[in-house]
Parts: sequence; structure tokens; C-alpha cells
Amino acid sequence: GESVGLHLPTLSVQEGDNSIINCAYSNSASDYFIWYKQESGKGPQFIIDIRSNMDKRQGQRVTVLLNKTVKHLSLQIAATQPGDSAVYFCAENYGGFKTIFGAGTRLFVKA
Amino acid sequence: DTAVSQTPKYLVTQMGNDKSIKCEQNLGHDTMYWYKQDSKKFLKIMFSYNNKELIINETVPNRFSPKSPDKAHLNLHINSLELGDSAVYFCASGVYSYNEQFFGPGTRLTVL
Repeated sequence: GESVGLHLPTLSVQEGDNSIINCAYSNSASDYFIWYKQESGKGPQFIIDIRSNMDKRQGQRVTVLLNKTVKHLSLQIAATQPGDSAVYFCAENYGGFKTIFGAGTRLFVKA
Repeated sequence: DTAVSQTPKYLVTQMGNDKSIKCEQNLGHDTMYWYKQDSKKFLKIMFSYNNKELIINETVPNRFSPKSPDKAHLNLHINSLELGDSAVYFCASGVYSYNEQFFGPGTRLTVL
């Protein structure tokens, strides 16, 4: 079936450290994998995406890694800041109009 | 200017009632979505519309009826509300060829 899941529901990191949020997926037919950030009381916000034929993509302070062999996706946040505290969702998109979201990981950043 | 707006932000109602949530986007996008987020933060797509046409209906009960009067609006009407409908409903918009979706602030629906 379709599913996008996460290994760790909650992650706590010290300010300034790097954060790694992991995600497992089951649908090999997905075209893109996407990360969203949701702050308390707000809607999800797009962070970065990666096409299924890539294994790494970098953005501003974020890197997404895709391992299709083990169907694993990760989001790395460099020099984590208090403003990074949020729930992070991995998602997969196939067929253009359908995005399937994972369960989410809550990231706490300790000052 | 708010890119994707939803009204109302909070909605508290009794079981059996009918209610509507409105969504508007001023981004010029051709695709709009409705998502339901439950108490455990699980976000599930309900509907996708492209150029006012329904593309995706994710086995949502018939009590839920989306309506898109034009490309900038996608409203959600819910009949005979049930306790299990309590959730946060998010509207989103995007461009078909791009993955980024822009989400509204959400509508918290509480059914008593």
C-alpha cells in the first residue's frame, strides 16, 4: 500500500547542532520526495524537494538525501536554530496531483 | 496580502449540522487542494482540483462536497457533521508542474 513513515516521532537537539530527520517510504513509483515544515498554528510550508532519480540535493542550511535501495529519505538541517522548532513532514508525489504525507517528526531546539 | 486564505479559522458546531469552509488563493495557481489533519498531526489529502475540475477524490464520504466556482476559490461543504469530522482542514494551492504547495492557515473544526 501507499505509506510514508518516520522513524522518530520526536527529536530534540541543541541549538547550533545539526539535525537529521529520517523518513521511510514504501512506494517506489513516486516521482518526487518533498519535505515540509509546520510551525504551531500554521499550515505546512515547503522546504525542499528531490526528484526520484537524484540522491542528494542541497538548499539553504538543508540537505535532503534519498536512498532508493532502502527506500529512505532524510532531511539534514545545519546549525539548527530555535526557529527550526516545528513538525517536519516528508511527502511523496506521483501523478502530479497527489501528495502523500508521512506522520511527521516534531523537532525541539534547546537554547 | 495573504496568499491562501481560509474562513473561518475556528468552527464549532453540533453533530448533524451542515457547514462550509471557504478558501481563496491570490497566487494565480491552477491547482487547489483540501487536506484533513487529525489530532495526531497526520495530514491526508481529500481533494485535488485543477482548473476548476475535480482530479482527485480520496475516498472521502459523500457528505463532503467541494465546489470550485473559479480557479481562485475552492470551498468545502460538509453535510450531517459527525464527531469524527473534528480536525484541522487545510486548503492549499500550487502549480501542477511544481511540487511546492502553498497552504492556508487552516480551519479547526470541532463537532460536539
